[in-house]
Amino acid sequence: AQKITQTQPGMFVQEKEAVTLDCTYDTSDQSYGLFWYKQPSSGEMIFLIYQGSYDEQNATEGRYSLNFQKARKSANLVISASQLGDSAMYFCAMREGAGNQFYFGTGTSLTVIP
Amino acid sequence: NAGVTQTPKFRVLKTGQSMTLLCAQDMNHEYMYWYRQDPGMGLRLIHYSVGEGTTAKGEVPDGYNVSRLKKQNFLLGLESAAPSQTSVYFCASRKRAGELFFGEGSRLTVL
Repeated sequence: AQKITQTQPGMFVQEKEAVTLDCTYDTSDQSYGLFWYKQPSSGEMIFLIYQGSYDEQNATEGRYSLNFQKARKSANLVISASQLGDSAMYFCAMREGAGNQFYFGTGTSLTVIP
Repeated sequence: NAGVTQTPKFRVLKTGQSMTLLCAQDMNHEYMYWYRQDPGMGLRLIHYSVGEGTTAKGEVPDGYNVSRLKKQNFLLGLESAAPSQTSVYFCASRKRAGELFFGEGSRLTVL
């Protein structure tokens, strides 16, 4: 079974609008961490935001927030006030408990339309 | 701010040739990783290391070998390259807790 599932291969959003990128995860561990990365066309991987499984509040970093719904095992990334520079691939990832491996989803390609 | 540096950035090989990708990090991180990225498949873990002198297999280790002789370096070797190993390779490192820091990637083409 896939550890991380991203069901949206591509998304479009109007500039200045908000957009939600979906991520669901599969684990039986009680302790785990969830991460989002951005990969622009230049290719580098940029860390955006982290959510721990025991964190009671949803994580926020500037225009990025993570909508964490533990019972549904979802960790959706919300980007508010989209900008043209937000056009990129976005990857969701998870590290389980004391494990060392990070599991990545297949990514969502976001295009921001002027 | 070097962070994680990968060399070379680009390489073209013929089937059967060997090569080594070098990853160097200057953040004193314990953990280092090699991933490959292929279209539609996200990032898949090849090998990783939890400290100097230790390595472990990831999800897709076949055809690759690694070594971590120094804490700051993690080498990925292809002994006999195959066209299926055409990919973009990413090295990453992290502290005990926290996110992965990635290198810029190395694009390898095997003809």
